[in-house]
Amino acid sequence: TQLLEQSPQFLSIQEGENLTVYCNSSSVFSSLQWYRQEPGEGPVLLVTVVTGGEVKKLKRLTFQFGDARKDSSLHITAAQPGDTGLYLCAGAPPVSGTYKYIFGTGTRLKVLA
Amino acid sequence: NAGVTQTPKFRVLKTGQSMTLLCAQDMNHEYMYWYRQDPGMGLRLIHYSVGEGTTAKGEVPDGYNVSRLKKQNFLLGLESAAPSQTSVYFCASTSWYEQYFGPGTRLTVT
Repeated sequence: TQLLEQSPQFLSIQEGENLTVYCNSSSVFSSLQWYRQEPGEGPVLLVTVVTGGEVKKLKRLTFQFGDARKDSSLHITAAQPGDTGLYLCAGAPPVSGTYKYIFGTGTRLKVLA
Repeated sequence: NAGVTQTPKFRVLKTGQSMTLLCAQDMNHEYMYWYRQDPGMGLRLIHYSVGEGTTAKGEVPDGYNVSRLKKQNFLLGLESAAPSQTSVYFCASTSWYEQYFGPGTRLTVT
């Protein structure tokens, strides 16, 4: 069974601070996605990374896929209260023709004004 | 363009009752999924479909059945609800690597 472990599970920081969330596995994934989920809503896709070593930026968010495609990180620069939410990573196993995603347990971020 | 919609949004069932959750997408996606989300467990895949008329089991399929009679709809059924099925249920559809989620159904089984 493939697992995705996220750390930390909870994070409470002050506005303006930087933070990094990690998503780790012992398995290889063909792609990895990051989502943000707000209370009472479904997850919303932030980014998909496909190539080992790939780095993508979305405003103050920087996403990196590990060289071996087993891990990923999300770095937020100068966090704002609007960044508050549950961050989920999800990996797609490298099996041809399948789109079954495995989700991490999530990192709950709270940014205090 | 509504994306992915789910009905109902909330439901309370008694143990042993049955119900069907409906998911609809208007993006012409082939792949559709049903997940459940429990505290500390993340999202777990119940069943999924790779096209009209096809379904497959996910990680936690026991106690659930699904049907995909039309490409745009994916139904999740609970034949005899149990308290362990209290959860928030999300439907999603996929275009290549991008999953689009519905707003969820909060189900309580007493």
